[in-house]
Amino acid sequence: NAGVMQNPRHLVRRRGQEARLRCSPMKGHSHVYWYRQLPEEGLKFMVYLQKENIIDESGMPKERFSAEFPKEGPSILRIQQVVRGDSAAYFCASSHRQMNTEAFFGQGTRLTVV
Amino acid sequence: GQQLNQSPQSMFIQEGEDVSMNCTSSSIFNTWLWYKQEPGEGPVLLIALYKAGELTSNGRLTAQFGITRKDSFLNISASIPSDVGIYFCAGQLGAGNNRKLIWGLGTSLAVNP
Repeated sequence: NAGVMQNPRHLVRRRGQEARLRCSPMKGHSHVYWYRQLPEEGLKFMVYLQKENIIDESGMPKERFSAEFPKEGPSILRIQQVVRGDSAAYFCASSHRQMNTEAFFGQGTRLTVV
Repeated sequence: GQQLNQSPQSMFIQEGEDVSMNCTSSSIFNTWLWYKQEPGEGPVLLIALYKAGELTSNGRLTAQFGITRKDSFLNISASIPSDVGIYFCAGQLGAGNNRKLIWGLGTSLAVNP
């Protein structure tokens, strides 16, 4: 049973480009959470999705950021017109039940904006 | 917003020493979690605590859910080099669709062999 798979592991984008981060949850998990981690800091919640629905996006910046979790395929975190301040590690976690404490994390995508 | 105060921020110890770290908050939590993150990896759940006063062990790790539900500690006994990493506490509050995990800023542990 594969764990949470995130790709790419590393992504470099120029300012103004778009970044697409993918997350395939563990098999059987229908709840996905995205977190951002800046260097030397903890994890900041961004968005919680269930299949085809955004449940809680209170941690998501109102502009340029969007997330989806379609019926088929991985969850996507999309950042449009990236800026240097978007450089961070983005982690996805999945769980079987809502906000299940046994959420499993992927290895993260490290986004660098140059 | 809610915050977790995690301390110490970093620790540098000798192999074999015991380690203690804690998290405190002004908020009351339903669940306390302790995670470990190694360089280049995602956090891995070490211990989950569900009841006030609960004391749980996982090998050399022991964690407790404070009686007031506002704090938790994690102890590591007889540290070894592979204990190196960043340890995060996280508290869950709210109910239903309003459940949230609030994270501490981490304790960075270095172990000198």
